[in-house]
Amino acid sequence: AQSVSQHNHHVILSEAASLELGCNYSYGGTVNLFWYVQYPGQHLQLLLKYFSGDPLVKGIKGFEAEFIKSKFSFNLRKPSVQWSDTAEYFCAVTITGGGNKLTFGTGTQLKVEL
Amino acid sequence: NAGVTQTPKFQVLKTGQSMTLQCAQDMNHNSMYWYRQDPGMGLRLIYYSASEGTTDKGEVPNGYNVSRLNKREFSLRLESAAPSQTSVYFCASSPGQIGNTIYFGEGSWLTVV
Repeated sequence: AQSVSQHNHHVILSEAASLELGCNYSYGGTVNLFWYVQYPGQHLQLLLKYFSGDPLVKGIKGFEAEFIKSKFSFNLRKPSVQWSDTAEYFCAVTITGGGNKLTFGTGTQLKVEL
Repeated sequence: NAGVTQTPKFQVLKTGQSMTLQCAQDMNHNSMYWYRQDPGMGLRLIYYSASEGTTDKGEVPNGYNVSRLNKREFSLRLESAAPSQTSVYFCASSPGQIGNTIYFGEGSWLTVV
């Protein structure tokens, strides 16, 4: 079965710092990759997704992620974080032939300090 | 546009009680899902309905049952609640094709004492 690993459980950054959150998946076949964000007290919202084509994906609020197939990775980046980016970030995967079901990583709690 | 609506938002149950979480979507989506979210464990799929009339077990189905009442509604039932079922429950829906975005409801906070 597929799995998703997020190695950074808690990240604390100052405003304007650059962000990179790691995400690795284990599955040998074709995957679709997602990053969701959960702001405090809110539901999950899609930040960006990779389905096919250009491995560098741009999402909302200045976030981007790069799919590196050889490394089974889909890291999330943002050049300059803001206090309002404080949230929990989840990487997730669906696999071809597995139905459109998301398998989530355990999440990374990001705190941005002023 | 309401999207995915879940009720109730908060519930406290005693061990052994039963309850049903209701979910409805107004996006004409084929697929619906129930996930639970626990600290440090991310979201785990409880049950999944690919289309009206079908349901499948997810990663953590034990202690739960579901009903896909029609295309809009997908309910989750706890027959005999246990403290281990204390969690935040999210309903979600998607058009159903692989790679489609999955849209989440606002969550239901359930405490079993």
